[in-house]
Amino acid sequence: DAGVIQSPRHEVTEMGQEVTLRCKPISGHDYLFWYRQTMMRGLELLIYFNNNVPIDDSGMPEDRFSAKMPNASFSTLKIQPSEPRDSAVYFCASSLASGPEQFFGPGTRLTVL
Amino acid sequence: DQQVKQNSPSLSVQEGRISILNCDYTNSMFDYFLWYKKYPAEGPTFLISISSIKDKNEDGRFTVFLNKSAKHLSLHIVPSQPGDSAVYFCAVESNTGNQFYFGTGTSLTVIP
Repeated sequence: DAGVIQSPRHEVTEMGQEVTLRCKPISGHDYLFWYRQTMMRGLELLIYFNNNVPIDDSGMPEDRFSAKMPNASFSTLKIQPSEPRDSAVYFCASSLASGPEQFFGPGTRLTVL
Repeated sequence: DQQVKQNSPSLSVQEGRISILNCDYTNSMFDYFLWYKKYPAEGPTFLISISSIKDKNEDGRFTVFLNKSAKHLSLHIVPSQPGDSAVYFCAVESNTGNQFYFGTGTSLTVIP
């Protein structure tokens, strides 16, 4: 079984550009999470979905960040416009409703110049 | 506000000895406590968990201890192996729903 798939693995962009990160969760999982990892704050939960519906987006840092889950097999995290302080590794994770364990993708390393 | 703190950013241990990784949390309203392991260029992978009704859970070389009165969680690895070298994150889940908080991680190096 394929795990969580994220694309791209690396993204380098210039300040002000729009960035879209993509995630395909594990088939059958009810929950999808977006995290950001930085040295200072570790892994921060940005937003999570349950059955494609956004449940809690209180971790989204600013209005420049948005996330969608149009169907059970696809989600996007968009940053518009991007800023250098958005540089981080962004992880997507999915889980079943029956347990706390989350399955993480390999992450997207974003660099905003 | 950091709900979960891992105060040791790094730890080095000799192969065969015990590794002890620590984690402190601030809120009593957490249901599950988990440890994840992360290798470079990979996502975190689940290692072991414990529910708030227990104080110990063991899985092979890995044991997690929960001290609710001290709001403290620890992971013991014994014996430590070079393949255990990774970053370890502790995480907590609130009992109000799927709200997760992660620590900043501890980088473990097991020296052969």
